[in-house]
Amino acid sequence: ETGVTQTPRHLVMGMTNKKSLKCEQHLGHNAMYWYKQSAKKPLELMFVYNFKEQTENNSVPSRFSPECPNSSHLFLHLHTLQPEDSALYLCASSLTPGQGEQYFGPGTRLTVT
Amino acid sequence: DQQVKQNSPSLSVQEGRISILNCDYTNSMFDYFLWYKKYPAEGPTFLISISSIKDKNEDGRFTVFLNKSAKHLSLHIVPSQPGDSAVYFCAASNRDNQGGKLIFGQGTELSVKP
Repeated sequence: ETGVTQTPRHLVMGMTNKKSLKCEQHLGHNAMYWYKQSAKKPLELMFVYNFKEQTENNSVPSRFSPECPNSSHLFLHLHTLQPEDSALYLCASSLTPGQGEQYFGPGTRLTVT
Repeated sequence: DQQVKQNSPSLSVQEGRISILNCDYTNSMFDYFLWYKKYPAEGPTFLISISSIKDKNEDGRFTVFLNKSAKHLSLHIVPSQPGDSAVYFCAASNRDNQGGKLIFGQGTELSVKP
């Protein structure tokens, strides 16, 4: 059983909607990550948080806004998305950035209409 | 420019035989390599890793080989089982300078036939 949970598992939203993705980890890790996986492409790192502080923003458009209120929770706020943003969004955690393996949640399948 | 490449999008193997999944990288600063396995509708699951100071790491049926001079790593699964059918991703990082950033390959879909 994964120690990283994500909700919702599926989301359909219009381009003018605002929605949020939620991630929670029960592993006692201090680093959390958001990844995007588009069809037939490698996983792309979006954001890295270490002890609630954002340490990396991989040139992600501002219509994606992350929030990390504590080491166990991570949010991805979405607004005015484009159809090309439709993808699988994966959350992961690790003990610290660069140390230990990353453990992934099941992902949120997002469709933007 | 893709720094980690898995050139075979798919691989089909008979049950009981060996599966060999390959991965090439271009960045000589990578010092840590991982393999993940992904079933449909699930997130990737960590399988096995290897540090650049080693050339082989084994865990049960899974062995990862690293050839630094060729910038190549491979995952061997023996014997292959139908439950191994999944997409396999290799990933690499430079733990000192990348702050935990993993660079993933595109994945290879393994199908193990009974």
